[in-house]
Amino acid sequence: DTAVSQTPKYLVTQMGNDKSIKCEQNLGHDTMYWYKQDSKKFLKIMFSYNNKELIINETVPNRFSPKSPDKAHLNLHINSLELGDSAVYFCASSQAVGASNEKLFFGSGTQLSVL
Amino acid sequence: RKEVEQDPGPFNVPEGATVAFNCTYSNSASQSFFWYRQDCRKEPKLLMSVYSSGNEDGRFTAQLNRASQYISLLIRDSKLSDSATYLCVVNGPTGGFKTIFGAGTRLFVKA
Repeated sequence: DTAVSQTPKYLVTQMGNDKSIKCEQNLGHDTMYWYKQDSKKFLKIMFSYNNKELIINETVPNRFSPKSPDKAHLNLHINSLELGDSAVYFCASSQAVGASNEKLFFGSGTQLSVL
Repeated sequence: RKEVEQDPGPFNVPEGATVAFNCTYSNSASQSFFWYRQDCRKEPKLLMSVYSSGNEDGRFTAQLNRASQYISLLIRDSKLSDSATYLCVVNGPTGGFKTIFGAGTRLFVKA
């Protein structure tokens, strides 16, 4: 059983389109995240949700809108895609937020290519 | 100064070699520390936590020096399967909980 699963694995789209990436975790974790890994391989946090509530929102354009219908799901919707949005997007989860020793479990990533 | 800095490498070592990676962090209030491993085109996976007392997991030893704000990972008897990118990860401080990833150190182990 996959612990953190995200779909699609690959997403190729044109500039200006709107797209969504879905994420689900079956670990019973309270906290979920979206990370972006760019071409230089830096992993940067975008958003964090704890029990469906937004707790971290890094400096991300408001074209990116996360949605958490329940604590097991965190989807990412991106409006008006730009070339610079091309990256690998990783969903992750952890047991709780605020505990500094929290370990992250990642999904397998979504490779987004904006043409 | 970056919050978490690592030597990007790549480190090219023969099988059986011992290799060490270093990482420095800028926030002295950081609470916890980890090494993650990321294979090419895959997700990061937790390798081990890092404690001040040092900890060992088989061929892997991690060490934390809070005074110098420095973390290390030592791999003994390298295997081909150790080839990957090793990410230094720093959490905290508590209250402003935030996980910061280093850019990673690339390791190639060759036969």
